Amino acid sequence: RKEVEQDPGPFNVPEGATVAFNCTYSNSASQSFFWYRQDCRKEPKLLMSVYSSGNEDGRFTAQLNRASQYISLLIRDSKLSDSATYLCVVNQGGKLIFGQGTELSVKP
Amino acid sequence: NAGVTQTPKFQVLKTGQSMTLQCAQDMNHEYMSWYRQDPGMGLRLIHYSVGAGITDQGEVPNGYNVSRSTTEDFPLRLLSAAPSQTSVYFCASSRRTGNTGELFFGEGSRLTVL
Repeated sequence: RKEVEQDPGPFNVPEGATVAFNCTYSNSASQSFFWYRQDCRKEPKLLMSVYSSGNEDGRFTAQLNRASQYISLLIRDSKLSDSATYLCVVNQGGKLIFGQGTELSVKP
Repeated sequence: NAGVTQTPKFQVLKTGQSMTLQCAQDMNHEYMSWYRQDPGMGLRLIHYSVGAGITDQGEVPNGYNVSRSTTEDFPLRLLSAAPSQTSVYFCASSRRTGNTGELFFGEGSRLTVL
């Protein structure tokens, strides 16, 4: 079993839709959590950190559930420009471990 | 404003050849790492370093060597290339690990092993 697993994609949604991605991790000692975004054939870039209390950045909301060992990312009012692959990242003892990514395609 | 620079961007090798992927960062970051990305597998950590003179293995270290003689440079060596090492390789750096989590990536090196 991979240490960090994400929902399989792709997610195809219309503009304006709300979409949610989930990610589970296996190591309960994991220290910190992040969502990255990767555009086609480009390098990944940090989208947002995930805090225990949950956090929001504009249309993006991240949640952490330590008891169930999962994190989530909610995107509201999807834009065409949100089309990308979203990567869940977990810090395990100083190593940043990536999930396999979930592809999102937002259609007009 | 260079950030993380990887070279070469593209490389074709024959099975058994060796090569070095170069990575340099100009942000005085302590932490540097190498990932490979394959379709459906996401990014997998090969090796990482928390400072000059210190390296450690990630998830998929076999077939690769690294060294960290300076803060700026973290080369990845393929000792005897195999077709299974065909992949896109990303170098990344961070001010430190722990809770910051913000990795700065190079643009990637696309390697094909025939």
